[in-house]
Amino acid sequence: GAVVSQHPSRVICKSGTSVKIECRSLDFQATTMFWYRQFPKKSLMLMATSNEGSKATYEQGVEKDKFLINHASLTLSTLTVTSAHPEDSSFYICSARDPLQAGGYNEQFFGPGTRLTVL
Amino acid sequence: KQEVTQIPAALSVPEGENLVLNCSFTDSAIYNLQWFRQDPGKGLTSLLLIQSSQREQTSGRLNASLDKSSGRSTLYIAASQPGDSATYLCAVTPMRISGTYKYIFGTGTRLKVLA
Repeated sequence: GAVVSQHPSRVICKSGTSVKIECRSLDFQATTMFWYRQFPKKSLMLMATSNEGSKATYEQGVEKDKFLINHASLTLSTLTVTSAHPEDSSFYICSARDPLQAGGYNEQFFGPGTRLTVL
Repeated sequence: KQEVTQIPAALSVPEGENLVLNCSFTDSAIYNLQWFRQDPGKGLTSLLLIQSSQREQTSGRLNASLDKSSGRSTLYIAASQPGDSATYLCAVTPMRISGTYKYIFGTGTRLKVLA
């Protein structure tokens, strides 16, 4: 099956620094990737849709200057949390959609997540 | 606006019981519905995906049904085991937001199966 990886799996940083999280589709080309955020014991909230070669589409209430998304290739999307603060501490999960998946199932494949802790 | 709710929020059962998790959504116009499990501190494991034209999917001890008209899906787990303990999430892809294929996640059900 389709595999999506994330790096790093865990990161701790000081307040005010920027952190970059990578999301890669390993065995398929993903024109669209998605970034989600999950607070403890809560569900996943979609932050933005990342489109290869174009600007990301952000959900209402998500600061685009705070969460920079770059989808420079068909297998890589990055999320950069700029000037991170403790309230940005969360579990970030990406997913990727394989447009060529047989049957048009529109299934998304999820990465293992990145736990960000901002001190 | 599509909203997805899961009931119950938490469930604790003895090993061996058959159980049903519920997922309801407010807008029946969906491409598909997918069930996931999530272990503490981990990512998502896909369990079953049901296309809008399908009524159910089965995998091992798991069976998921979809009643689009009533905005409901159920995940049936037969003969539950302690290893089934996890949070179960359902997600739908709304059809009215064309071209985006975004997932809207439910609130989750935390399941604990006691040995």
